[in-house]
Amino acid sequence: KNQVEQSPQSLIILEGKNCTLQCNYTVSPFSNLRWYKQDTGRGPVSLTIMTFSENTKSNGRYTATLDADTKQSSLHITASQLSDSASYICVVSEGNKLVFGAGTILRVKS
Amino acid sequence: NAGVTQTPKFRILKIGQSMTLQCTQDMNHNYMYWYRQDPGMGLKLIYYSVGAGITDKGEVPNGYNVSRSTTEDFPLRLELAAPSQTSVYFCASSYGDRGLDEQFFGPGTRLTVL
Repeated sequence: KNQVEQSPQSLIILEGKNCTLQCNYTVSPFSNLRWYKQDTGRGPVSLTIMTFSENTKSNGRYTATLDADTKQSSLHITASQLSDSASYICVVSEGNKLVFGAGTILRVKS
Repeated sequence: NAGVTQTPKFRILKIGQSMTLQCTQDMNHNYMYWYRQDPGMGLKLIYYSVGAGITDKGEVPNGYNVSRSTTEDFPLRLELAAPSQTSVYFCASSYGDRGLDEQFFGPGTRLTVL
């Protein structure tokens, strides 16, 4: 069964610190991988979309990396801000199907 | 552009009641989707539409119905509500196929069935 596993489930960091969220997937064949940010009580908002040929993609302080050989992706957040507190969801595309991870809940404390 | 809008934001239903969740997008997107999000789980696709008049089942369609009479609107109908339908429902849209194009999500409707 195609799956997307995210770790950790939740994370608390101090404002200004960096953090890295992990996504492992077994989806095959693979078209692209996305990271979404979901604020509490809101819908997901796209951060990055990477095809299998891309190794890294940045969106401001967010940098996503992809290793298609090991089927792993990470989302690195630099110099975290209180507004980064949210759930971060990894989504893998299998053709025209999307497989959603359960998300990592990030809390940034002052 | 308002993007994707959903109404209502919250609703409590009694078992056996029916309701329609409304979804409208103003981006002229061909594709529209309904997802449900349960605690600790990834989003699951309920129904989707590739254009006006065309709808198809997703992963978890039982207990739901949809229609797509216009490009802008994609309502989701719950008939005979059950506690298992307690969830947060998200409508989304994309210009092209969801496997290739970015999806834009609405703010969600939190539904409780008691």
